[in-house]
Amino acid sequence: SQQGEEDPQALSIQEGENATMNCSYKTSINNLQWYRQNSGRGLVHLILIRSNEREKHSGRLRVTLDTSKKSSSLLITASRAADTASYFCATAPNSGYSTLTFGKGTMLLVSP
Amino acid sequence: DGGITQSPKYLFRKEGQNVTLSCEQNLNHDAMYWYRQDPGQGLRLIYYSQIVNDFQKGDIAEGYSVSREKKESFPLTVTSAQKNPTAFYLCASSPNRRAGLRVYNEQFFGPGTRLTVL
Repeated sequence: SQQGEEDPQALSIQEGENATMNCSYKTSINNLQWYRQNSGRGLVHLILIRSNEREKHSGRLRVTLDTSKKSSSLLITASRAADTASYFCATAPNSGYSTLTFGKGTMLLVSP
Repeated sequence: DGGITQSPKYLFRKEGQNVTLSCEQNLNHDAMYWYRQDPGQGLRLIYYSQIVNDFQKGDIAEGYSVSREKKESFPLTVTSAQKNPTAFYLCASSPNRRAGLRVYNEQFFGPGTRLTVL
């Protein structure tokens, strides 16, 4: 079964607005990662947040992690048309080496 | 250019044929992975390899095979035993950064191969 579940499945906004995507997971994690996928392309790593971190920033991206609620959110501020893509969260369950488990993604459409 | 490449970009196969998808990386990463992505779905792990000459089955390994004879290369063979092989296949690699006892495995993806069975 999928470890991470993104919400919403799809999101449509106007340029300049903020976009918020959420990810929930079931078991304890070592870290949680967010990836972007443009249509028909490979995934691009955006940000990794460790289990002992609560918030992390990278440019227009802000990621939060609440381990007590087993959830994370990705905020994209001042969205641009180029942000149109699918966004996936992925969880790493162990402190040692482990594989990632991906959710089904949120499809974001940013209209000019 | 450092990166991860996959070939071919599009592949068509007749039922009953085996096909091999190529994945090469020059990032000097130890770990490599193969995923399958179906429309509107997330990624499902087929096989992964932590080091040369070693690999492990993922969640959906049936009907697939891999080899890891070189650090740079991790080819995937889709065999005729795979009942529904039409999908988008993604290869990734990871440096498996270590920080004390913890490992952080950001993954770097290739552009993908779209396989269609006719």
